[in-house]
Amino acid sequence: GAVVSQHPSRVICKSGTSVKIECRSLDFQATTMFWYRQFPKQSLMLMATSNEGSKATYEQGVEKDKFLINHASLTLSTLTVTSAHPEDSSFYICSARPPGQGWDSPLHFGNGTRLTVT
Amino acid sequence: SQKIEQNSEALNIQEGKTATLTCNYTNYSPAYLQWYRQDPGRGPVFLLLIRENEKEKRKERLKVTFDTTLKQSLFHITASQPADSATYLCALGGDDKIIFGKGTRLHILP
Repeated sequence: GAVVSQHPSRVICKSGTSVKIECRSLDFQATTMFWYRQFPKQSLMLMATSNEGSKATYEQGVEKDKFLINHASLTLSTLTVTSAHPEDSSFYICSARPPGQGWDSPLHFGNGTRLTVT
Repeated sequence: SQKIEQNSEALNIQEGKTATLTCNYTNYSPAYLQWYRQDPGRGPVFLLLIRENEKEKRKERLKVTFDTTLKQSLFHITASQPADSATYLCALGGDDKIIFGKGTRLHILP
């Protein structure tokens, strides 16, 4: 149980275009989802916390107008990278915790999206 | 600022031996610590949780220790197998935050 699905797994786009990444909780409802970015040989860095029905909370240094997050339902959050540039090329991963579990319960991650901006 | 260090970027261990990975932290008092496994091109998968009032946890061939005085966690894989080859991440949590280390790439040599 507690499966998180992410789509697409890989995407290549041209500089200046926008890319949308979807994160779905398949067998549980997630009022909160987390979006991370991971550069090669670096740690997972939290970008933002997505909240169903309300605005996302962004970490310091993350541009909210560039990384648009929409959490329109209890099972779907989307991250849109707008006006992508080569420096946005990275591995983007979402995660969620099933409801009713403790605050120290494990995060369930999607399989990530490898974004390459040419 | 809070800092997490995982002992080495890569670790080679002979099959059948015990692999020991280290996670050190500074400027932080986490309420809990988690270990995750990450395979190339995949998301992390949870392995073990240990809380600040616990010294040791075990799960099958895995063992984790947590020393809040030394600010260190050790992660052991006994009777290691080539299938254990992956990157292992430690993550520290407290309040509503969880921060991850860079990970250690473990190679189990047949």
